[in-house]
Amino acid sequence: NAGVTQTPKFQVLKTGQSMTLQCAQDMNHEYMSWYRQDPGMGLRLIHYSVGAGITDQGEVPNGYNVSRSTTEDFPLRLLSAAPSQTSVYFCASSSSSQGTEAFFGQGTRLTVV
Amino acid sequence: QQPVQSPQAVILREGEDAVINCSSSKALYSVHWYRQKHGEAPVFLMILLKGGEQKGHDKISASFNEKKQQSSLYLTASQLSYSGTYFCGTADYGGSQGNLIFGKGTKLSVKP
Repeated sequence: NAGVTQTPKFQVLKTGQSMTLQCAQDMNHEYMSWYRQDPGMGLRLIHYSVGAGITDQGEVPNGYNVSRSTTEDFPLRLLSAAPSQTSVYFCASSSSSQGTEAFFGQGTRLTVV
Repeated sequence: QQPVQSPQAVILREGEDAVINCSSSKALYSVHWYRQKHGEAPVFLMILLKGGEQKGHDKISASFNEKKQQSSLYLTASQLSYSGTYFCGTADYGGSQGNLIFGKGTKLSVKP
């Protein structure tokens, strides 16, 4: 089982560039979410989705867009990269929100110079 | 609002016990615990649900005080493999529709 797959694993961007972080899951999970992890800050929720066609903002949504056209995929778009977006990004999925385990992808390490 | 974890860091010798605490200001539906090793993704340990149900790791125990919105993770007879950063994630009834909000983590180091 592939589980949750994130691509790329590493990325370096220049300030102002845009890019899309990919996330795909093969477990038919309804709930998907994006987190960023910075030293000493834990995992902070960026955006989440409770099903295809439904997305909403988390704790730190500014500078990021998401869409959910299929159950499997939940891409995260950086519109105009800034050095403050240098972080490790994790995608997670679960079959429901409160009572089930969240499965995490292996992360994307993004550096904005 | 992120739940508050304590302590921020703890160092143990193999075989010693530790308790990690997680506290929220919101009414919670569930508390989740994850462990993350350096350079890896967080890995599920346990879920504690309102009403007393628990799901998770056989060798790790935890408690959830619903009235106080607090949870504690109990690591007994620690092993070297327990080293890592522990995160609690809380699901509340608010705007995130139950999606997990994580604390800042507790770094656990187990020495031989």
